[in-house]
Amino acid sequence: DAGVIQSPRHEVTEMGQEVTLRCKPISGHNSLFWYRQTMMRGLELLIYFNNNVPIDDSGMPEDRFSAKMPNASFSTLKIQPSEPRDSAVYFCASSIRRGLGGNTIYFGEGSWLTVV
Amino acid sequence: GDSVTQMEGPVTLSEEAFLTINCTYTATGYPSLFWYVQYPGEGLQLLLKATKADDKGSNKGFEATYRKETTSFHLEKGSVQVSDSAVYFCALSDRPDSGGSNYKLTFGKGTLLTVNP
Repeated sequence: DAGVIQSPRHEVTEMGQEVTLRCKPISGHNSLFWYRQTMMRGLELLIYFNNNVPIDDSGMPEDRFSAKMPNASFSTLKIQPSEPRDSAVYFCASSIRRGLGGNTIYFGEGSWLTVV
Repeated sequence: GDSVTQMEGPVTLSEEAFLTINCTYTATGYPSLFWYVQYPGEGLQLLLKATKADDKGSNKGFEATYRKETTSFHLEKGSVQVSDSAVYFCALSDRPDSGGSNYKLTFGKGTLLTVNP
């Protein structure tokens, strides 16, 4: 089965440019997460969707960041304008939300962003 | 809020040594507990999990037991291999049925393990 698919895997962009990261969750999963990983701050949850609806976006750092999930099989994370401090690995993850037993979250391989 | 504290690395061991990575947590509800592993240049992979007190998760020779009384979920392996070199993350997920509000994962900061031949 295909896992969580992210694109691009690597992106180098200039400060001020718009960056769009894409994610295709595992088919049938109804929860989607965007995480950011840096050396200084570790793994941070940016935003979380359930059934395509944003549930918790308290981790989105500022208005330059936005995320959408127009349907169950696609999500985007956009940074506009980008800044060097946005350089990080951005992970998309998905899971099935269920009542008991805890959920397992599956991660994509990440989008490695460098803003110069 | 929920939090996870794991031992800081890096941890360097020789092949076949015993491994322990400590993890403790704070949660408002009754969380599920996880260990994820991240190999160089890759995403996170679920290593093992436990969903209730005294459960033991195990996979690939790794084990961790959910200890509610000590709020701990320490990772252990009896004999590490060079291929186990990676970053290990302890995480918890709260659950609505235990008073939590959603299923988001809260991670520890990760522990880098290097195993030398």
